[in-house]
Amino acid sequence: NAGVTQTPKFQVLKTGQSMTLQCAQDMNHEYMSWYRQDPGMGLRLIHYSVGAGITDQGEVPNGYNVSRSTTEDFPLRLLSAAPSQTSVYFCASGRGVKRRTDTQYFGPGTRLTVL
Amino acid sequence: GQQVMQIPQYQHVQEGEDFTTYCNSSTTLSNIQWYKQRPGGHPVFLIQLVKSGEVKKQKRLTFQFGEAKKNSSLHITATQTTDVGTYFCAGISNQFYFGTGTSLTVIP
Repeated sequence: NAGVTQTPKFQVLKTGQSMTLQCAQDMNHEYMSWYRQDPGMGLRLIHYSVGAGITDQGEVPNGYNVSRSTTEDFPLRLLSAAPSQTSVYFCASGRGVKRRTDTQYFGPGTRLTVL
Repeated sequence: GQQVMQIPQYQHVQEGEDFTTYCNSSTTLSNIQWYKQRPGGHPVFLIQLVKSGEVKKQKRLTFQFGEAKKNSSLHITATQTTDVGTYFCAGISNQFYFGTGTSLTVIP
């Protein structure tokens, strides 16, 4: 199993540009989530999904959209990039709709810089 | 809103010394998890605590969950250079709330 994969690994955007960060998992996990990591701020939840077709907002959802059309994929879209969105983005997955508290497996991260 | 704070933010220890990081939540948690992130890497799950007052051990690591289920700690005995990284707690109520993390440096 590849586990959780994320692409790209690095990305530089200009203010106002849009892009999609890709996340895929091959463990048949129902729960998937997106975090951003900033120095001194820990990991902050952006959006999460408990299954295909179901998404919900986390702590810092503004400026980001998600969709979950399949169990495997959970892309994160930046609608109009801003310098405040410069961060490291991690995707994570876990087992079971009713097991949101189960272990989360993290992808390797995407390092995004917005100029 | 929900907040999970960790102290200290940074800790430098000599190899062989002990290390402790503390995690405190503003509200009662159903579970708490601990993760380790090596420099340049991604968080990796260490353990989950569920019961009030629970204590779990993994070799030199001891994890505790407070009686009120609002705080937790991770203690490492006799640190090694392989322990270097950032340790995060993640409190779970209606969703995951990660703490701010404690960055551990071990000086050989």
